Amino acid sequence: DAGVTQSPTHLIKTRGQQVTLRCSPISGHKSVSWYQQVLGQGPQFIFQYYEKEERGRGNFPDRFSARQFPNYSSELNVNALLLGDSALYLCASSLLGGRPWTGELFFGEGSRLTVL
Amino acid sequence: QQQVKQSPQSLIVQKGGISIINCAYENTAFDYFPWYQQFPGKGPALLIAIRPDVSEKKEGRFTISFNKSAKQFSLHIMDSQPGDSATYFCAASQLLIQGAQKLVFGQGTRLTINP
Repeated sequence: DAGVTQSPTHLIKTRGQQVTLRCSPISGHKSVSWYQQVLGQGPQFIFQYYEKEERGRGNFPDRFSARQFPNYSSELNVNALLLGDSALYLCASSLLGGRPWTGELFFGEGSRLTVL
Repeated sequence: QQQVKQSPQSLIVQKGGISIINCAYENTAFDYFPWYQQFPGKGPALLIAIRPDVSEKKEGRFTISFNKSAKQFSLHIMDSQPGDSATYFCAASQLLIQGAQKLVFGQGTRLTINP
C-alpha cells in the first residue's frame, strides 16, 4: 500500500516567490496535517485539515495557506518567500482529524524547500 | 515557544547498551505522548506512544516511562543496535479549540550506536 506521498521532493526558490507543495494521504485517511521542520529542529505544526475543512492552525503568518480537495489530497501554499522559510515541509495523514484520537500520524518524506 | 524540552541533543552508545532520552513538558492539557524515529532523508515514523494514565509501556526493546507528577517522560532502548542510529523526537499531543490534534515536538536527539 502506498504511504503518504509528497511532491516535489526538492525545490529551490528565490525570495519573494511563491511555492505550492502537494500531498496525497494514505488511502482511506481523511485528515492531512502540515509540519515545517527546520534543519536541526523538531517539526512544527502549520495546519490540519479534516473532511476538507481547516481544523487547526499553528503560529505561522498568513503567507502560509492550505486547502484539502474532495479526494483528501492537500496543497500547502507559501507566498512572498523569505530565507527563513527554507525547511523540510512534512505532510502527515491520519484516519481521523481529532477525537477520538487514534494517535498515529503517518508522515511523508517531505518536500525540501531552499529559498535563496 | 518550546513546550517540550528534550535531552540530550546527541548521544553515543555502544552496541548492546541502553540508550535513554528524556523529555519534559509544562502544558497539563497534553494527553498523548508519542516518540518518533527519523532517518536521514525520511519523514518521522511513530515508534511507541503512551497516554498519561499509564506509567510505563514496553514494545520489544523500546520502553516509555511516564511520570505525570513530574511532567517528564523518557524513552529507553534496550540492547541498542547500529540500526537504531537515527534522530529521535518526543512529542506531546494537544487538542485545539477547532478540534484539531496538534503534535508539539521536542528538539530531537541524534543517537549513534557504535558497533
